[in-house]
Amino acid sequence: EADIYQTPRYLVIGTGKKITLECSQTMGHDKMYWYQQDPGMELHLIHYSYGVNSTEKGDLSSESTVSRIRTEHFPLTLESARPSHTSQYLCASSTPGGAESPLHFGNGTRLTVT
Amino acid sequence: GQSLEQPSEVTAVEGAIVQINCTYQTSGFYGLSWYQQHDGGAPTFLSYNGLDGLEETGRFSSFLSRSDSYGYLLLQELQMKDSASYFCAVRDQGQAGTALIFGKGTTLSVSS
Repeated sequence: EADIYQTPRYLVIGTGKKITLECSQTMGHDKMYWYQQDPGMELHLIHYSYGVNSTEKGDLSSESTVSRIRTEHFPLTLESARPSHTSQYLCASSTPGGAESPLHFGNGTRLTVT
Repeated sequence: GQSLEQPSEVTAVEGAIVQINCTYQTSGFYGLSWYQQHDGGAPTFLSYNGLDGLEETGRFSSFLSRSDSYGYLLLQELQMKDSASYFCAVRDQGQAGTALIFGKGTTLSVSS
């Protein structure tokens, strides 16, 4: 089982604040992803990375940015949080294999912007 | 672009068999995956179909027909713990490779 960690687990923050959601994995996976999911809804791809210094935007960039300076670390930053950013953010990683490589998800960060 | 369609809800009783269908439209096809997510939990990988046919893993099976752009997840001998959301997913060809795009999910409720 992949070891992928997200912190914080829960976060309540005021509008306009800058926040960084942390994601780390210890499996040495090259590929990492950020998804946004509202309760009971589908997962929307926000950003992904295929390795160090590689980042791509998904369909829902969500006014956020990511960086990939180290293989194991893929933080997501919201420069100015808004109530519309209230959601669950899921980080995932996978091996550099083909399309069959499964995604391993972290437990998510539940963000509430007041 | 890509789109996936699956039913929003399915209900069944313990011991029954249920099939969750998924149709997809993609600009390029790289296989169909299924994930399970319990309420409040993280999605977990169930199965992958890259070629036509049936893949079986214990009580769960997944089927793919590439000519019909269609697949399904079959759950047998349902248990209460199978109550969860099930997502089909396909790869989308992005600029630097492929990323996994998910359907809207099917909520399965298993009752006794």
